[in-house]
Amino acid sequence: AQSVTQLGSHVSVSEGALVLLRCNYSSSVPPYLFWYVQYPNQGLQLLLKYTSAATLVKGINGFEAEFKKSETSFHLTKPSAHMSDAAEYFCAVSEGSSNTGKLIFGQGTTLQVKP
Amino acid sequence: DAGVTQSPTHLIKTRGQQVTLRCSPKSGHDTVSWYQQALGQGPQFIFQYYEEEERQRGNFPDRFSGHQFPNYSSELNVNALLLGDSALYLCASSHDGGEIYNEQFFGPGTRLTVL
Repeated sequence: AQSVTQLGSHVSVSEGALVLLRCNYSSSVPPYLFWYVQYPNQGLQLLLKYTSAATLVKGINGFEAEFKKSETSFHLTKPSAHMSDAAEYFCAVSEGSSNTGKLIFGQGTTLQVKP
Repeated sequence: DAGVTQSPTHLIKTRGQQVTLRCSPKSGHDTVSWYQQALGQGPQFIFQYYEEEERQRGNFPDRFSGHQFPNYSSELNVNALLLGDSALYLCASSHDGGEIYNEQFFGPGTRLTVL
C-alpha cells in the first residue's frame, strides 16, 4: 500500500529565508505526487504535481519540488519565504498508477513565517 | 467559473443523528470524491463517484454512503453519527478524460461537529 510521510509537523522560518518541507513516499509503482496548501478555513489548493515528466517541478507562488526516486522523496522548497506562505502543507500520492484521482495524504506540515 | 461548492459550511449534530452534505462540482467535471479531514490530520479518502456509481471506496464503515445525480452533483450521508465523525468534509471534482492524471479541485469543505 502506498503511504506518505511528512517529516516535521511544524516548520518555522524567518521571512526571506529558505523554505524546505520534507516528504517521503512509499509506492510499488511509479507514483504521481502532489503538494497542496490549505489556508485556515479553506479547502486544498494544488501547488504542484509530478506525473513522470521532469523531475524538478515548478508550481505556483514560487514553490518547486524535486522528485528523487533513489531517496523516495519529493521535498517542497521556496527560496525566500513570504508572510503569506504561512499555511498548512500536504504532500499526497495518487494510489497506484491510475488516473482516477484517489489521493493518499501525509499528516501535514504547518509552516510559520516570522517577520 | 464557480469552482467546487459545498453546503452547508458548518453543521452541528448530536450523536446518533444522520447528516447529509452536498457538493456541486466544477463546471465540466464528472467525477466527485469525498474526503474526511480530522483536526490536525491529512484528508482521508471516503469514496469516489463517477457516472452515478461508487467507483472506489476507502476504509470507512457502511454508515458513510453517497449518491451522485445526473447533473454530477453529489451527496455524502452519514448515519448514526459518532463523536469521532467530527471533521472537515472535503469534496473534490475532476474530469475523467483519459489524461495522464485527472487533477482534482477541492471545495472549501463542510465543518461537521458532533456533540
